[in-house]
Amino acid sequence: DAKTTQPPSMDCAEGRAANLPCNHSTISGNEYVYWYRQIHSQGPQYIIHGLKNNETNEMASLIITEDRKSSTLILPHATLRDTAVYYCIVRVETGTASKLTFGTGTRLQVTL
Amino acid sequence: NAGVTQTPKFQVLKTGQSMTLQCAQDMNHNSMYWYRQDPGMGLRLIYYSASEGTTDKGEVPNGYNVSRLNKREFSLRLESAAPSQTSVYFCASTRKGGGSNQPQHFGDGTRLSIL
Repeated sequence: DAKTTQPPSMDCAEGRAANLPCNHSTISGNEYVYWYRQIHSQGPQYIIHGLKNNETNEMASLIITEDRKSSTLILPHATLRDTAVYYCIVRVETGTASKLTFGTGTRLQVTL
Repeated sequence: NAGVTQTPKFQVLKTGQSMTLQCAQDMNHNSMYWYRQDPGMGLRLIYYSASEGTTDKGEVPNGYNVSRLNKREFSLRLESAAPSQTSVYFCASTRKGGGSNQPQHFGDGTRLSIL
C-alpha cells in the first residue's frame, strides 16, 4: 500500500469547517483513499473513501486532486465530538481480505 | 446493534502466562482481523482471516496464534506472554472477501498489560 503523510496535529474552532490534508504521492491507479478516525481510545471508525471522484456522506466530504497525489477530508461543521485522531490510508482492492496500513494520523482538536 | 464485540476489555498477565482474546461479529462478515496499537502509534495488523477456514499473517505475527472458529468468531492467542506484547488489541471485520471497497468495522479493543 502507498505511504501517506499527514500533519501530526491541527486545531479547529467549533462550528467551522475542518480541512484535514493527506499526501499520497506514490498512490497507484487501483488504490483507494480511506479515512478513519479514532476517538480517545475507542476502535477506529470508518468515515469515507474514494478512488478519484469527490465523495460526500453524512459525516464528511472527501476531495481528491486530479492527479490523486493528495486528498482533503472536510468536516463541514466541526463539533467538540469530532476531536479525534484522523487516519488517511490508501488501500488496494485485491478481492481477498483487505489490509489497512495505519500511520500516526492527524490529531484534530476542536475548541470552543 | 452489537457489531464487533471483544472480550475481555482489560487484562493483566504475568510474563509467560497464556491468554486468548475473543472477538465476535454479528454482521455476517466474511473477513476478520486482529490489530495491535502501541501508545502514540497507528494500528498494526497481526493476523487476518479472509474467510471461514483461512488465516494469514499480517505485519507483526510473531508470538501470536489465531483461530477462526466459525464465521462469527476469530480468537487471538498469546501462548507465552511477554512485556513487549503490552498493547491495545483491536478486532475488525468486513463484508464479503474484503474487496469491493467494504470498510472495516472495529471493536472497542482489549487493553492488555503484561508484567
